[in-house]
Order: sequence, then structure tokens, then C-alpha cells
Amino acid sequence: DQQVKQNSPSLSVQEGRISILNCDYTNSMFDYFLWYKKYPAEGPTFLISISSIKDKNEDGRFTVFLNKSAKHLSLHIVPSQPGDSAVYFCAASAGRSNYQLIWGAGTKLIIKP
Amino acid sequence: DAGVIQSPRHEVTEMGQEVTLRCKPISGHNSLFWYRQTMMRGLELLIYFNNNVPIDDSGMPEDRFSAKMPNASFSTLKIQPSEPRDSAVYFCATRDRGIEQYFGPGTRLTVT
Repeated sequence: DQQVKQNSPSLSVQEGRISILNCDYTNSMFDYFLWYKKYPAEGPTFLISISSIKDKNEDGRFTVFLNKSAKHLSLHIVPSQPGDSAVYFCAASAGRSNYQLIWGAGTKLIIKP
Repeated sequence: DAGVIQSPRHEVTEMGQEVTLRCKPISGHNSLFWYRQTMMRGLELLIYFNNNVPIDDSGMPEDRFSAKMPNASFSTLKIQPSEPRDSAVYFCATRDRGIEQYFGPGTRLTVT
């Protein structure tokens, strides 16, 4: 049973436009969500996170939105740049004392020039 | 800080051979995770150490897999004997008191 789902395996966006990556979850115990970015032949790198007490967190070009009632979060990248081309993973945690991160399958973002 | 260091970066071995993957965590990080990534199953947690003690090894697929953390600066993941289905990218990740995990570059294992 996939508790964290990224339903789009890939997404293609024009350079300069907004990229929106989506993630859905089923476990209402999740209270912290993270986005990671992964380039080929590298490990995932932490990008941005959000606690369930917030509905938005912003860091430069990256904004994560959380809709708890819909059990949905999204990552917005504005404006999209060629270096943003990567695989993006959504992950969730149920409590700071819980060591496990539950991972989505990833979405490959391709930024077209 | 150099980040999480993994070696080797690539390993090609024949079925039946022993394989040892190594990880040096970020200094001061007291939690260490070994993951396996495959196309079919995505990122799977194999084992979790806290303060050098294995806390959860429920993700270790078989007895052929073992992991150790003899001190705060070093961990190994061993596969003996290796099989073609073990071919994957193996990641080591560490964290301090936060929730975010910091990953190494991974070891791409190919078992022929």
C-alpha cells in the first residue's frame, strides 16, 4: 500500500514558466513533509520541507503548499531553470521521534529551453 | 563538511561473490540509514542505526545482507553471496536531530 504517491512519472515545462509537482498521501498521522531533488549518479538532496501546522513554506524560487484536508502537497518552482531538470521525490514523516521517511516514486522534471 | 562519503561508487561483481559497501557519515550525525533504489521498488529502507546501534533491520531482504556500524565514523553493508537481483544503487544517509536525511552519492552495484 503506497502511503505517498507521486502520480506523474514525468513533467515537461518550458524554461521560465512555473513547474508544479504534486504529491498525495493517505496516512493522516504524517505531520512533516519533505521534497528532495536528485540528479543522475548523485544521491537525493534535501530541497524544502513543511510542517503540518503550516500550509505554505517558501524558499527562494521554491514553494511548497500543503492541503491537509485533501492530503495533498505540491512543489512550485518559479521561474523554472534548466538546472531544475532532475527527479523530485516527496517524502513524509509521522512525528519527529519517528525515524522513517516514507517516499514517493519520484517525478522526473524536464525543463525545455 | 565533506558530506556523506560512500565507497566504492561502482562495483561490478560475479554472482556468489561477497560485496562490501562502505559509508562515512557526516560528523556529528548520530543516525544512519542504508537504502536501496531500484526501478521497480523505488527507495527502500534496509536498516537504520542510532548511536551506532541497529534499531530497525526489517528492510534487510535476506540473511545474505548484513550491516555493521563499529563506530560513529563508519558503517558497512555486506552482501554474501551476491545475486544478480541485488543489482541496484545503494545509498547511505545520515541525520542529526532534525528530520531531514542527508544522502551520499550512492554505490551502483552490478552483479553478473
